[in-house]
Amino acid sequence: NAGVTQTPKFRILKIGQSMTLQCTQDMNHNYMYWYRQDPGMGLKLIYYSVGAGITDKGEVPNGYNVSRSTTEDFPLRLELAAPSQTSVYFCASSSAGTQEQPQHFGDGTRLSIL
Amino acid sequence: GDSVTQMEGPVTLSEEAFLTINCTYTATGYPSLFWYVQYPGEGLQLLLKATKADDKGSNKGFEATYRKETTSFHLEKGSVQVSDSAVYFCALSEVSSGSARQLTFGSGTQLTVLP
Repeated sequence: NAGVTQTPKFRILKIGQSMTLQCTQDMNHNYMYWYRQDPGMGLKLIYYSVGAGITDKGEVPNGYNVSRSTTEDFPLRLELAAPSQTSVYFCASSSAGTQEQPQHFGDGTRLSIL
Repeated sequence: GDSVTQMEGPVTLSEEAFLTINCTYTATGYPSLFWYVQYPGEGLQLLLKATKADDKGSNKGFEATYRKETTSFHLEKGSVQVSDSAVYFCALSEVSSGSARQLTFGSGTQLTVLP
């Protein structure tokens, strides 16, 4: 079972470069999320989506953009990479509605901005 | 806003020792509570959950009870194994716009179990 798949696993960018972190899930989940995890910290929500065509900001959205053209895919875009965006990025998904549904996480993308 | 405060680590125990990781929360409504575990180089995995007061979540020998009166959800295990070495995150979720459940995480507790 694939679950939530993130690519790439590692990437090094120069300041000012742009890139897209890919996330796809095969569980037909309506809800998808992007988090960043800084050293010694919990995860912070960047953006989330409740379905295709619908996205919303989380706690730390500045410097990022997302799109949700299909149920399966939820890419995260960095337009002008900055050192403060060095982090590990996790994508997650969950089924809709009820309070009990847990989020399923990918293995993460480790991003360094130099 | 919602917040989760976790016992700071790192925590180092010998195999078969008793484990407690403290977690307290603040929330405006009636959140669901979760413990997630992260093994090295991997994403987070749900360990256990509780959705209402006095519920006890359990999995793989770990337990946590939703205590509304003390706003706590402490993680316990009676006898830890080397394979339990990981980072443990306490989290809560409440409804946000469009019924999406946003997770608020604690800062994580690194557990190392020595043979």
